[in-house]
Amino acid sequence: DSGVTQTPKHLITATGQRVTLRCSPRSGDLSVYWYQQSLDQGLQFLIQYYNGEERAKGNILERFSAQQFPDLHSELNLSSLELGDSALYFCASTRGIHGTEAFFGQGTRLTVV
Amino acid sequence: TQLLEQSPQFLSIQEGENLTVYCNSSSVFSSLQWYRQEPGEGPVLLVTVVTGGEVKKLKRLTFQFGDARKDSSLHITAAQPGDTGLYLCAGEARAQKLVFGQGTRLTINP
Repeated sequence: DSGVTQTPKHLITATGQRVTLRCSPRSGDLSVYWYQQSLDQGLQFLIQYYNGEERAKGNILERFSAQQFPDLHSELNLSSLELGDSALYFCASTRGIHGTEAFFGQGTRLTVV
Repeated sequence: TQLLEQSPQFLSIQEGENLTVYCNSSSVFSSLQWYRQEPGEGPVLLVTVVTGGEVKKLKRLTFQFGDARKDSSLHITAAQPGDTGLYLCAGEARAQKLVFGQGTRLTINP
């Protein structure tokens, strides 16, 4: 158990809809990272938050947004969903601002039909 | 863009053989990490290397960070079926981004 909790584990939704993925980092970790992993692909960095503030952005679509709340949990919002958004979405947390020794949740498998 | 390229992308070998996978970049990283991911699970951190030339061992796994801190390798001795998985290298890029290579999918056949 990594200590990072992601909910839900599975999500099936229709095109055009909006969903929210939730992540609770390990106790004491201040940074949260979001990644997208498509079938047989590596992890594509989406966005990083540190102590409530956005710190780095990757190839995140404008239809996607995220935030980190005062209790340090984070949410990734995906809107106007397309078939190509179907993927595993992972959240990872680190103790500090630097991206070393990240601990991952088990992911949310999103299927857009 | 700081890219990490892993090779090979796929590797299938027999139990007991040795293997090496590589992680290369044209950029310098302050640290490199190796993760293993099993189907349906999140990646699990294996090791972090920080100093150029550093070698770390984890049982039958040996990790090396290049002298120039641009590349790393993972060597597995006497591979076992339990080593099967997706091996990912990751580096801390500019602006605190943790970027990943595309992974090496390793299969160890009994």
